[in-house]
Amino acid sequence: EAQVTQNPRYLITVTGKKLTVTCSQNMNHEYMSWYRQDPGLGLRQIYYSMNVEVTDKGDVPEGYKVSRKEKRNFPLILESPSPNQTSLYFCASSPRAAIGGTIYFGEGSWLTVV
Amino acid sequence: AQKVTQAQTEISVVEKEDVTLDCVYETRDTTYYLFWYKQPPSGELVFLIRRNSFDEQNEISGRYSWNFQKSTSSFNFTITASQVVDSAVYFCALSEATDSGGYQKVTFGIGTKLQVIP
Repeated sequence: EAQVTQNPRYLITVTGKKLTVTCSQNMNHEYMSWYRQDPGLGLRQIYYSMNVEVTDKGDVPEGYKVSRKEKRNFPLILESPSPNQTSLYFCASSPRAAIGGTIYFGEGSWLTVV
Repeated sequence: AQKVTQAQTEISVVEKEDVTLDCVYETRDTTYYLFWYKQPPSGELVFLIRRNSFDEQNEISGRYSWNFQKSTSSFNFTITASQVVDSAVYFCALSEATDSGGYQKVTFGIGTKLQVIP
């Protein structure tokens, strides 16, 4: 089944404790991205990747890191999480990096930083 | 200014009523794409439709229809004879090329929460 899988789905962590949210897609998609969803703000892009080893900042990259060492994986790293990073996170992928590729989303990861 | 404006934050309708969700976008590009996604209470994001800037033909899929008007930069979504299962948050999104490299950048609106009351 074609899908975008992210883990963990739910996590409560403490301020400053490094964490990684994994994302994997099995559709051989070029483009992958991370979004965060917050009430009243909709979905905001954190980082995106056009292909292996090619990444760029989205609208809200501060406090996050990403890497794309393999085409299928695009982990989101929070080196020192803070409470303002409490949010619902979505990983997404698209067949092409050029405009218009349909974005397919993972099921979301609820992250709480206390 | 927001690139994608969904002015209706919450809408409530009674079942079987028609409802239109508004989406207004802003771009300087001539080539772009527009999307609608549905987020039911379970939280996942479900793709509904994609439309490119050169295709202004309206589209109908069952009870769903979309009206794309470049003249007003709008891409509105209508649900006919609404049902309780339509209760969800609906997001409109714009795909444009980045200034560097021409890769896609997708911007979402803040979403419209639709509640269909039985």
